[in-house]
Amino acid sequence: QKEVEQNSGPLSVPEGAIASLNCTYSDRGSQSFFWYRQYSGKSPELIMSIYSNGDKEDGRFTAQLNKASQYVSLLIRDSQPSDSATYLCAVKRVNEKLTFGTGTRLTIIP
Amino acid sequence: DVKVTQSSRYLVKRTGEKVFLECVQDMDHENMFWYRQDPGLGLRLIYFSYDVKMKEKGDIPEGYSVSREKKERFSLILESASTNQTSMYLCASDRGRTEAFFGQGTRLTVV
Repeated sequence: QKEVEQNSGPLSVPEGAIASLNCTYSDRGSQSFFWYRQYSGKSPELIMSIYSNGDKEDGRFTAQLNKASQYVSLLIRDSQPSDSATYLCAVKRVNEKLTFGTGTRLTIIP
Repeated sequence: DVKVTQSSRYLVKRTGEKVFLECVQDMDHENMFWYRQDPGLGLRLIYFSYDVKMKEKGDIPEGYSVSREKKERFSLILESASTNQTSMYLCASDRGRTEAFFGQGTRLTVV
């Protein structure tokens, strides 16, 4: 079993719709959870961080964490063509390694 | 503005060469990481360091070594470059439980 698994892509969503990205992790001791966006040929950039159960909203982005189910998700509302990228889920314990999923490629269709 | 800087954006080296990839961060972060990224395989951790002169092997340390003599600098060394080490190399740093910041990446080609 992979340490961090993401829903297999690619994922295509019409412009203006909601994009839903999912991630599960195996280490119950994980304490920090992140979503990164990566454009082709570029390095990852942080979209959202979440540390406790529940929802966290930032603009069009909402991260959801359920530690009991070992599940993290990212919702993107009113999807824009500029949201087309690969989204990476990452988890870590304090001061330990940061582990990534393989990523989900998202394409927003105009 | 926080910054992680990698020494080269593109690099071409010959098989058997010793290769140094340098990374510097200006955020006083304790933790620094080296990843490689290959299509279909995602980001794989090579080594990380949680303090000066301290290092931990990641998932794929074979063929690599690292050096951290100063808090702000973390170097990745390919002892004898091989063609299967052609990849995108990414350096990152963080503090404790907070988010990691990435450098711009080094695309290394070994010929």
